[in-house]
Amino acid sequence: ETGVTQTPRHLVMGMTNKKSLKCEQHLGHNAMYWYKQSAKKPLELMFVYNFKEQTENNSVPSRFSPECPNSSHLFLHLHTLQPEDSALYLCASSPTGDSNQPQHFGDGTRLSIL
Amino acid sequence: QKEVEQNSGPLSVPEGAIASLNCTYSDRGSQSFFWYRQYSGKSPELIMSIYSNGDKEDGRFTAQLNKASQYVSLLIRDSQPSDSATYLCAVTLAGGTSYGKLTFGQGTILTVHP
Repeated sequence: ETGVTQTPRHLVMGMTNKKSLKCEQHLGHNAMYWYKQSAKKPLELMFVYNFKEQTENNSVPSRFSPECPNSSHLFLHLHTLQPEDSALYLCASSPTGDSNQPQHFGDGTRLSIL
Repeated sequence: QKEVEQNSGPLSVPEGAIASLNCTYSDRGSQSFFWYRQYSGKSPELIMSIYSNGDKEDGRFTAQLNKASQYVSLLIRDSQPSDSATYLCAVTLAGGTSYGKLTFGQGTILTVHP
């Protein structure tokens, strides 16, 4: 298996549920990212991890909690979400956290909050 | 002023024509520029990266960068219906609150009709 894999592909949850999104990259990269993509809005960077350390939190509400146990895996733990959190959540990776390097994206998790 | 700006389109071109996609950015110190293609329901896929002024060609795609005028463009020659997608411009902004981050435009929808 190659590239960046995200699971689940689709997720429907209530506002009081707790769920997690998973991302795994097989590219040997050391930086991983979470983005949010809402309709008619640009991709929004949420978090950056470089060599397992969080280097960027783009003012994301605490109901989103990232976890990076190693350079190949990235999680986004969700709890008490709001309807406006419905979006496509994309994971990406790059060789290092140098933003001059291109990033490679997974296919995303389509999240719907009831 | 948006940091990275694209015309959302849709841009409609006939098959075989040249499609021209434009992107402007606000930070004169930006260093790295990327074009991604995103099919509906799929992840962004890197098409081109460009770092210095001038043209860069890869097959049917040509990226053009003009740092003095702060714009980057993507030309698609001999457009095919399979090129129909949303094209995202991404820029590494050099200063301000977006230092070092990859910032995306909202994307241009391209439709190539037979």
